[in-house]
Formats: sequence, structure tokens, C-alpha cells
Amino acid sequence: QKEVEQNSGPLSVPEGAIASLNCTYSDRVSQSFFWYRQYSGKSPELIMSIYSNGDKEDGRFTAQLNKASQYVSLLIRDSQPSDSATYLCAVKPSSSASKIIFGSGTRLSIRP
Amino acid sequence: NAGVMQNPRHLVRRRGQEARLRCSPMKGHSHVYWYRQLPEEGLKFMVYLQKENIIDESGMPKERFSAEFPKEGPSILRIQQVVRGDSAAYFCASSPTSGGLNEQFFGPGTRLTVL
Repeated sequence: QKEVEQNSGPLSVPEGAIASLNCTYSDRVSQSFFWYRQYSGKSPELIMSIYSNGDKEDGRFTAQLNKASQYVSLLIRDSQPSDSATYLCAVKPSSSASKIIFGSGTRLSIRP
Repeated sequence: NAGVMQNPRHLVRRRGQEARLRCSPMKGHSHVYWYRQLPEEGLKFMVYLQKENIIDESGMPKERFSAEFPKEGPSILRIQQVVRGDSAAYFCASSPTSGGLNEQFFGPGTRLTVL
């Protein structure tokens, strides 16, 4: 079982709709969780971080964490074509003082 | 307020040559991380360094790869005797601390091509 799992996609969502990206992790006592956006040929950009159960909202983005289910998700409201990118879920496991483990990413495509 | 800086942005080497990749962390950050991304794959952790110390090198290949973060100057990832399989994007990230949330911010990457 991979430490951090994501559906590779592509996930196609119409412009203006809500895009929902999901991620599961294997280490039950992981501490911190991150969503990065990566455009093709570019570097990852941190868009959300969360460490408490529940929802965290920032503009059009909402991160949701459920530690009991070992599940973290990212919702993007009012999707725009500029949101088309690969979204990487990352987890800081309890066993690590520092490193974070990345999922392989979900490709999101917003169709006009 | 410069972000993480990496150079060169593109590097071409022939098999058997050495590749040196440099990374300067964000101002105020003393923790540096190197990741490798193969085409169409996720990011793989390689090494975590603080000034003059390697803290975690569990992701580094056992041979040909080394990293340092000297007291003065950038962090260096060195790949000796490169092979075609080393062709990838190498990203450096930095953080202000290692505890807590440990938010890491990435540089633009160095794209290494081995001919």
C-alpha cells in the first residue's frame, strides 16, 4: 500500500462547478497535510495546509481532513480554466521529523 | 523577498559527467530539502539538510549522489558519473522550521538531461 494515494485522473470538471480532489494516507498518526498545485513544467506551489480535523477555507479552496478515515480532500469552488493543473497531496508522517511524502497527483482539467 | 532559488534551470550532461545543482533557500529558512521528479511521476524525497548537517538522507541513492549545505553559500546536490536514468527534474524546497506544520516552499527546479 502506498503511503499517500491519489486517483491519477484526469478529472474533468465544467467551468464554474466544484472540483473535488481526494487523498488517502496510510500512517494513522500523521501530523500535517498539504495540497500543492503543479502546472506542467513548473514547480509545486503550496495552496493549502491543514492539521486539525474538519474544514479549512481559503478563498475558493477548502481543505477537509478526517483523521479517523485517514482521508484528506480539496474542494475548488467556481472552477476556472486556470485551475487546470496537477494537484499533489502531501503528508508529514509521524515517523519523520521533517520530510513529507507526496502522492503521485491528480490531473484536473476545467473545461470551458 | 526572494523565494527559493535554484540554478541552473536546465542542465545537459553526457553520460559519465558530473552534475552540480545549487539551491539557495528563502530568506530566514535554514532547512533545505531535495526532491526528484521523473516524467509523469510524483515527487520523491531525497535528502534533508540544515547548515553543515545532513539530517535525513534516506531517499538518496547509495552511490554517485551526495548533498551538502555549507555554512556559507547554497546547498549543492552532486551527481557523479551521470547515467540516462538520472534525467529528471530536481526540486529544492525550504522551510523555516522542521517542526509544526513544516510548510515547504519549492524553487523552480533544475531539469537535468543526460545524453
